[in-house]
Amino acid sequence: GAVVSQHPSWVICKSGTSVKIECRSLDFQATTMFWYRQFPKQSLMLMATSNEGSKATYEQGVEKDKFLINHASLTLSTLTVTSAHPEDSSFYICSAQRRDSYEQYFGPGTRLTVT
Amino acid sequence: AQSVSQHNHHVILSEAASLELGCNYSYGGTVNLFWYVQYPGQHLQLLLKYFSGDPLVKGIKGFEAEFIKSKFSFNLRKPSVQWSDTAEYFCAVGTGGYNKLIFGAGTRLAVHP
Repeated sequence: GAVVSQHPSWVICKSGTSVKIECRSLDFQATTMFWYRQFPKQSLMLMATSNEGSKATYEQGVEKDKFLINHASLTLSTLTVTSAHPEDSSFYICSAQRRDSYEQYFGPGTRLTVT
Repeated sequence: AQSVSQHNHHVILSEAASLELGCNYSYGGTVNLFWYVQYPGQHLQLLLKYFSGDPLVKGIKGFEAEFIKSKFSFNLRKPSVQWSDTAEYFCAVGTGGYNKLIFGAGTRLAVHP
């Protein structure tokens, strides 16, 4: 149990376009989902925390108008990278957490390349 | 600011050698502590966790970690590594009501047969 999926697993887009990444908890209800960014050979950096039915909380330095997060249901959160630029190219990872649990289950990640 | 330090960025061992990976954190309040592993091409998986109680915690695949509060440390150990332990290991600290995780830089472990 506790499987988290992400779609797509990789995406290439042109500069100026928007890209949506989905994160789904397949076999449990996730009241909280997290979005991370991982640069090559570096650690994960938390971008934002989202709770079902409420606005996401962004970490310092993360542009909320650029990285739109929606957590519309207990099994789905989406991250939309708006007006993507090459510097947004990265590996984006989501995780999901059950209510009253401190354990996060991670998705496989989405590789975004902006050309 | 809160931070997590992993002392070894790259470790190379032979099979059957013992492993200890260091992790120190800076945070004044209550924390939850985690070690995650990322095998090549796979997603992060939880190795073990500490919330409270016995500071020596055992995880999957023979790994264990010891929380030493006075040293703000949570070192990962395994008495005898296998080639299949080749992976990247991340220490993480969870804080706050939502248990937001702060990750260390990671340690790449390569085990040679």
